[in-house]
Amino acid sequence: ETGVTQSPTHLIKTRGQQVTLRCSSQSGHNTVSWYQQALGQGPQFIFQYYREEENGRGNFPPRFSGLQFPNYSSELNVNALELDDSALYLCASSLKLRASTDTQYFGPGTRLTVL
Amino acid sequence: GQQVMQIPQYQHVQEGEDFTTYCNSSTTLSNIQWYKQRPGGHPVFLIQLVKSGEVKKQKRLTFQFGEAKKNSSLHITATQTTDVGTYFCAGGASGQAGTALIFGKGTTLSVSS
Repeated sequence: ETGVTQSPTHLIKTRGQQVTLRCSSQSGHNTVSWYQQALGQGPQFIFQYYREEENGRGNFPPRFSGLQFPNYSSELNVNALELDDSALYLCASSLKLRASTDTQYFGPGTRLTVL
Repeated sequence: GQQVMQIPQYQHVQEGEDFTTYCNSSTTLSNIQWYKQRPGGHPVFLIQLVKSGEVKKQKRLTFQFGEAKKNSSLHITATQTTDVGTYFCAGGASGQAGTALIFGKGTTLSVSS
């Protein structure tokens, strides 16, 4: 186990609603990255947080937003949910700023279904 | 933008046969990482390659990073049923601070005994 936890495990929402997903990073890690994994696809980078600031963003619209707290835990918020937002949302923590070169430790994910 | 492609998408083998998955990037990578995801699970880190031409082994698994740092491969010798899962390569782009990993779509391996 990586020590990265996510909540909730599963979530069902309807189109237009808003959702907040939570992640607690591994002890000692200061960087959190969020990924979206659609069925049968590889994880897609949403954004990364380092010391409470967004530090890199993938090709996702502004309705995907996040926060990182002083204890390095993080939230992912998605507004105006669309059917295509149905996916497994993964949080990964790492130690250094340059997460592209560092091992990322993934949490178990939150399975979001949008009806 | 940067893309990482993997082939094949699926591979079925008999237990004891070898397996190889290939990864190609559209741009030069600073490093490549490999992850394994079991059905219903989350990606688990296997290894990171950083140097041009690097080869690393983990028991029956052999990982290679190409000389141009744009391709990589994972080879499993004598597969076992425990090797079942999806193998992802993920590239770190050169010179881009603050960006995370770019994942391929993965190769799903099934093994029959």
